[in-house]
Amino acid sequence: TQLLEQSPQFLSIQEGENLTVYCNSSSVFSSLQWYRQEPGEGPVLLVTVVTGGEVKKLKRLTFQFGDARKDSSLHITAAQPGDTGLYLCAGWDSSYKLIFGSGTRLLVRP
Amino acid sequence: NAGVMQNPRHLVRRRGQEARLRCSPMKGHSHVYWYRQLPEEGLKFMVYLQKENIIDESGMPKERFSAEFPKEGPSILRIQQVVRGDSAAYFCASSPPEVSGRGTQYFGPGTRLLVL
Repeated sequence: TQLLEQSPQFLSIQEGENLTVYCNSSSVFSSLQWYRQEPGEGPVLLVTVVTGGEVKKLKRLTFQFGDARKDSSLHITAAQPGDTGLYLCAGWDSSYKLIFGSGTRLLVRP
Repeated sequence: NAGVMQNPRHLVRRRGQEARLRCSPMKGHSHVYWYRQLPEEGLKFMVYLQKENIIDESGMPKERFSAEFPKEGPSILRIQQVVRGDSAAYFCASSPPEVSGRGTQYFGPGTRLLVL
């Protein structure tokens, strides 16, 4: 069974600080996705990384896929209160199932 | 183009009652997925359906749970004789037709089920 572990589970930081969250697995994934979920809503796709070593940027968010395609990281520069939410990584197993990590809950204090 | 729609958004049931959760996929999408999310956890796959077909139900409990996606109308996730442990947020996602079934999934806002 493929598992995705995310760390840290919770993160509370001050506005303007930088942060990194991690998504790790012992299994190889063909691609990994990052979602953000706000309270009372469904997850919204932020990015898909496909190639080992790939780096993608989305404004102040930088996503990296590990060379071995077993891990990924999300770095946020100068965090803002609007970044508050649950960040989930996900990848497909060998079939059609999207496997989700347990998430990192981020709180950015003004 | 409206997104994935789920209703009701909140559902309260007493133990032993039935819960019916509905999902209308995005226009043009023929693949529907159901996930369950417990508090402070990620989403867990339950079932993958195409029109009139269950493709993969390996994540769905064998007892009391069923899902359908008829030719006309929304997809339905049905939970019979609910128990307190069924309390969770249930999310539906849809994707456009893809050969491998690994198309980008678009999530609805979820149904929060509370069993008293």
